[in-house]
Amino acid sequence: AQKVTQAQTEISVVEKEDVTLDCVYETRDTTYYLFWYKQPPSGELVFLIRRNSFDEQNEISGRYSWNFQKSTSSFNFTITASQVVDSAVYFCALSEDILTGGGNKLTFGTGTQLKVEL
Amino acid sequence: EAQVTQNPRYLITVTGKKLTVTCSQNMNHEYMSWYRQDPGLGLRQIYYSMNVEVTDKGDVPEGYKVSRKEKRNFPLILESPSPNQTSLYFCASSPSGRRSYEQYFGPGTRLTVT
Repeated sequence: AQKVTQAQTEISVVEKEDVTLDCVYETRDTTYYLFWYKQPPSGELVFLIRRNSFDEQNEISGRYSWNFQKSTSSFNFTITASQVVDSAVYFCALSEDILTGGGNKLTFGTGTQLKVEL
Repeated sequence: EAQVTQNPRYLITVTGKKLTVTCSQNMNHEYMSWYRQDPGLGLRQIYYSMNVEVTDKGDVPEGYKVSRKEKRNFPLILESPSPNQTSLYFCASSPSGRRSYEQYFGPGTRLTVT
C-alpha cells in the first residue's frame, strides 16, 4: 500500500527564515510520481512540482527547492527566505501506478501548516 | 482555458436532504476522481472513473454515489447526507497514457451538513 508521511503538523517561522517541509513515502512501485501542492487559506490546491521516480535531480524554482532521495524515500521541500504569502498548508502526494488501478489516484500526506510571521 | 469546474463552491444543507455536486472538465480527460479533505487526514479518494460508464470505489466511498455518463462530467451524489460528510471536496481529472501523471484539480466545494 502507498503511504505518505508528513510528520510536521505545523511549523512557525519568522519572515526571511529558511524552512524545510519533510515528506517520506512508501511504495512498492518502481515507477511513481511525487508531488507538492500548496493550499492557501482560500482553499484551492496549487500545484508546485511533480517528480518521477527516475529523476533524482534536485530542483530549484525561485525561492523553492526540492530534494528527492530515493535511498531514504524522501522528497523534502525547502522555502528560502520565507515570506508571509508562503503561509499555507502544504501537501506532499504520491501517484499510484496506473496499471495497479485506482484511476490514477494520488495518495496524500496529512499536510503541514506553515505560518510565516513578521 | 483548461480547467476543472465544480458547483456549488459552498453548500450548507441538512441531514438527509439529497444533494449533487457537479464536476466538469474541458480537457477530454479519461480519468476523473473525487477526494474529500478533512483536518489531520489529508485528501482521500472517494470514487474514481477511468472512462465513460466505468467507475470504482476509492478509499472512502460509503455514503456517496457517482456516475459517468459523459466524458466531461463526473457528479458526486450524496443520497442522504450526514454531518460526518461535512468536508472540503475536490474533483480531479487526468489524461490516460504517458501524460497520466498530469493531475488537474477543481477549486473545491465546501460542504456543511447540519
